[in-house]
Amino acid sequence: DVKVTQSSRYLVKRTGEKVFLECVQDMDHENMFWYRQDPGLGLRLIYFSYDVKMKEKGDIPEGYSVSREKKERFSLILESASTNQTSMYLCASSSPSGRGDNEQFFGPGTRLTVL
Amino acid sequence: GNSVTQMEGPVTLSEEAFLTINCTYTATGYPSLFWYVQYPGEGLQLLLKATKADDKGSNKGFEATYRKETTSFHLEKGSVQVSDSAVYFCALSANTGFQKLVFGTGTRLLVSP
Repeated sequence: DVKVTQSSRYLVKRTGEKVFLECVQDMDHENMFWYRQDPGLGLRLIYFSYDVKMKEKGDIPEGYSVSREKKERFSLILESASTNQTSMYLCASSSPSGRGDNEQFFGPGTRLTVL
Repeated sequence: GNSVTQMEGPVTLSEEAFLTINCTYTATGYPSLFWYVQYPGEGLQLLLKATKADDKGSNKGFEATYRKETTSFHLEKGSVQVSDSAVYFCALSANTGFQKLVFGTGTRLLVSP
């Protein structure tokens, strides 16, 4: 059974803390993505990676960074957490397609609360 | 830029009712279109997709047809079940190798027995 796993389902952090969200996929996918999900806004892309050590900004990268040292692992880093980063964070992976029509596989999400 | 608009929810139906969730898009070129579903407490999973005009995607009794003339991809099901209660997201991909998806805001469906 193919899987995308995320390190925590729930996380509570304090303002100013450095936060690491980890994502691991077992499908040997080249592409990996981090989204945040907020009510009324749907999913918004934060960062994505199409290869090891490669990363591209998505639509809302401010306040975030990412790391991809191994193909199966993609980390999202909040350098200094703020209350407006309280959200559900979803990781996804996919294999590349010239048509852009391949399925993305999602993890269960991490609900982060910043106090 | 590319965008997806879908009807606001929640949509509340009785079991066996007919379902339509509207989705329209704005995109340059010829995007691929998707419906993803999120069951309570889970991540998203692909429900169906269509990659070119007039294609019909179908899965688990759900259907959606890629209508380029109306830039729409409405989701339909003839008879919903309680187990269909979930949040449904319409999305597009602008057909690049990076697989970037643009999502709508999601529509919550509540089906009562």
